[in-house]
Amino acid sequence: DAGVIQSPRHEVTEMGQEVTLRCKPISGHNSLFWYRQTMMRGLELLIYFNNNVPIDDSGMPEDRFSAKMPNASFSTLKIQPSEPRDSAVYFCASSTGQGEKEQYFGPGTRLTVT
Amino acid sequence: AQTVTQSQPEMSVQEAETVTLSCTYDTSESDYYLFWYKQPPSRQMILVIRQEAYKQQNATENRFSVNFQKAAKSFSLKISDSQLGDAAMYFCAYRSSAVLFSGAGSYQLTFGKGTKLSVIP
Repeated sequence: DAGVIQSPRHEVTEMGQEVTLRCKPISGHNSLFWYRQTMMRGLELLIYFNNNVPIDDSGMPEDRFSAKMPNASFSTLKIQPSEPRDSAVYFCASSTGQGEKEQYFGPGTRLTVT
Repeated sequence: AQTVTQSQPEMSVQEAETVTLSCTYDTSESDYYLFWYKQPPSRQMILVIRQEAYKQQNATENRFSVNFQKAAKSFSLKISDSQLGDAAMYFCAYRSSAVLFSGAGSYQLTFGKGTKLSVIP
């Protein structure tokens, strides 16, 4: 079975540019999570979707960040405009049910903003 | 808010030996879940083991086992017969069973800062 798929794996962009990260959850999973990992703050939840609906976005750092899930097999995390402090590894994870089951993580996208 | 603390930034173990990674957490809830995730250099987050707080029996997965002490809020991971492939960052994580105002579960994972495990041949 294919796991969670994220693209791109690496992204380097200049400050002020728009960045879009993509995620395809495991087929049949109806909960999706976006996490950010930095050395300073570790792993933090940004937003959680259930059945394509955002349930908890309290972790989204500011208005520059937005996430969408237009259908059950695709989600995006957008940063506009990007800043150097957004440099991090961004993970997407999915699970079944309402998210109470184990979360399976994608390989992550390493974002570098110069 | 829940917090998860891993007090050992780095650990090392000889191949074939046993090592224990520590984790403590702070919560006022009685029902929750605890996890250990492994993150090798590939960055992939891999679930190693999970423990339900209502279960007294410690979880075991092959060479991996936990020592869950609910009263002490402690959740350590023991790796037996360590292998080179066990070298990775290990993260302890907590998940609440609370329900949000919206009615959905608050299924956020709260992670510790991680322990980097090195395996010496």
